[in-house]
Amino acid sequence: DQQVKQNSPSLSVQEGRISILNCDYTNSMFDYFLWYKKYPAEGPTFLISISSIKDKNEDGRFTVFLNKSAKHLSLHIVPSQPGDSAVYFCAASWGNEKLTFGTGTRLTIIP
Amino acid sequence: DTGVSQDPRHKITKRGQNVTFRCDPISEHNRLYWYRQTLGQGPEFLTYFQNEAQLEKSRLLSDRFSAERPKGSFSTLEIQRTEQGDSAMYLCASVSGGREKLFFGSGTQLSVL
Repeated sequence: DQQVKQNSPSLSVQEGRISILNCDYTNSMFDYFLWYKKYPAEGPTFLISISSIKDKNEDGRFTVFLNKSAKHLSLHIVPSQPGDSAVYFCAASWGNEKLTFGTGTRLTIIP
Repeated sequence: DTGVSQDPRHKITKRGQNVTFRCDPISEHNRLYWYRQTLGQGPEFLTYFQNEAQLEKSRLLSDRFSAERPKGSFSTLEIQRTEQGDSAMYLCASVSGGREKLFFGSGTQLSVL
């Protein structure tokens, strides 16, 4: 039962353009959402999070949008840079429960 | 370095052998998690500790798997009688509270031949 879904396994974006990564969830109990970035042979590193009481959170080039009615969140990266090439995981939790991760989207930034 | 440390980084073993991995969390973090990641998948929860107490175990954690966190400091994850399906990256993460972001280690890549 995949409660967090990332339906795009890969995405290629030109350097300088906007990258938009999408994530859907099915568990309406989820109230805290995070994005992690992962390089090969390394552990995931935290990027940005959002609580369900908000619909947007920004941190520099990264913005996360949450649409609770659609059970959908997205990560926007503007402008995209070559160092952003990595696998991005969406994760969700509720209460003090563990994080549930999506399957990831491999982002490639084309110079 | 005050990050999460995992040892070894890589482990190659033969089917049927036992392996043990170690995780040293960030020192002030009282929660420690183990996740497993296979190719093309996201990290999957295995188990977690609040200090030395193991509070939850996933159904993924068969009876061949055991984890400990003596004295609420470092943790070990042991896999007995390894199978080829155990090949994966085993990730450890720690956090000081329940709703903050997890800090992950670099993982232990296990290959069972």
